[in-house]
Amino acid sequence: AQSVAQPEDQVNVAEGNPLTVKCTYSVSGNPYLFWYVQYPNRGLQFLLKYITGDNLVKGSYGFEAEFNKSQTSFHLKKPSALVSDSALYFCAVRDPTRTTSGTYKYIFGTGTRLKVLA
Amino acid sequence: GAVVSQHPSRVICKSGTSVKIECRSLDFQATTMFWYRQFPKQSLMLMATSNEGSKATYEQGVEKDKFLINHASLTLSTLTVTSAHPEDSSFYICSARDFVGTHGFNSPLHFGNGTRLTVT
Repeated sequence: AQSVAQPEDQVNVAEGNPLTVKCTYSVSGNPYLFWYVQYPNRGLQFLLKYITGDNLVKGSYGFEAEFNKSQTSFHLKKPSALVSDSALYFCAVRDPTRTTSGTYKYIFGTGTRLKVLA
Repeated sequence: GAVVSQHPSRVICKSGTSVKIECRSLDFQATTMFWYRQFPKQSLMLMATSNEGSKATYEQGVEKDKFLINHASLTLSTLTVTSAHPEDSSFYICSARDFVGTHGFNSPLHFGNGTRLTVT
């Protein structure tokens, strides 16, 4: 079965320091991977995706993620954290199996709460 | 970019009443929309896939008579929580993909801002 794991419930980092939010996946075939951010009482905002090509993907708000096929990981990174980056981050993978209606479902990790301390 | 609008953002209702939540794709057409439920400090649980012009596909364990989904047009899907009970209190989020926009077929999911439902 396809799955996504975010091993850390919470990550604390000081403002200005680099941050990493971890994600590993298990999926058959080539993975389609995504990162989303959620602020309190809001929906999820798309940050970046990996479909194919360069293993280092750049996204919104200075975030980037590195696809590592051998380690089946897709960790989210940012060189210098901001207090405003504090939020809930979700990693997701597209289920490669089409549904009966012909679309694809997305499998989400359990989320990692990022706290950036001033 | 693709925008998904969800309304209302918050609703409080009494036990036994029904509540309708709307999800609109504002600048693109969405033949498929997804409805999620999010419990406190937990991940998103896919409830159902809403298909324009046909019946929704519900995930295992989700009561289709309890959570009625209608996708009558290419830009609107509605979720009605019927005979709501306190255990239905949750954060409901819809999403859709824009296959015509920047990302084309590889479009990510675009989410509404969610609806906080409180049943008293």
